[in-house]
Amino acid sequence: TQLLEQSPQFLSIQEGENLTVYCNSSSVFSSLQWYRQEPGEGPVLLVTVVTGGEVKKLKRLTFQFGDARKDSSLHITAAQPGDTGLYLCAVTISGGGADGLTFGKGTHLIIQP
Amino acid sequence: DSGVTQTPKHLITATGQRVTLRCSPRSGDLSVYWYQQSLDQGLQFLIQYYNGEERAKGNILERFSAQQFPDLHSELNLSSLELGDSALYFCASSFTGANYGYTFGSGTRLTVV
Repeated sequence: TQLLEQSPQFLSIQEGENLTVYCNSSSVFSSLQWYRQEPGEGPVLLVTVVTGGEVKKLKRLTFQFGDARKDSSLHITAAQPGDTGLYLCAVTISGGGADGLTFGKGTHLIIQP
Repeated sequence: DSGVTQTPKHLITATGQRVTLRCSPRSGDLSVYWYQQSLDQGLQFLIQYYNGEERAKGNILERFSAQQFPDLHSELNLSSLELGDSALYFCASSFTGANYGYTFGSGTRLTVV
């Protein structure tokens, strides 16, 4: 069973459209991170959300952490080809000094010109 | 440039062989994490080191081992390689982990033939 379920798995839309991708779990987390990964590169941190109900904006990207801190969403407004990539959500399972990330399988996003 | 350096970028080797992947963390970061990314499993946490000591193990096979040296660089050793070990291997570093995020290198693409 996957700790973090991301949906949709694949999404292909036209430039200028809006979209939302989701990251869901049955577990409660103290924080959640979103990363974007481009082909041949490592994931790059976009945002960390900490408080239930928190909304963070990064230009055309809006991130929301669920009130119960079990889920999160990423909304992109007026998508551009440069937004193409793999979007990953991740959480830290801490304990005993360990804090490695657990990732969802990601949403593969393609923005067509 | 993320500040995390991984070498080599590509590696092709035969089954049964042993390889070593190297990672230099971002300046000031004490924690190093290794991840494996494959198409079917996604990004999987392998192991974490903090200031030279092992902190946590994830889905790391017994054929794999790692260490972190006094200068904080880390090496991931993969032995008795199998075709299924073909994957992208990423190193990430962090100063304090969850609160400040993780910086990933560009990865090593390992192909076992």
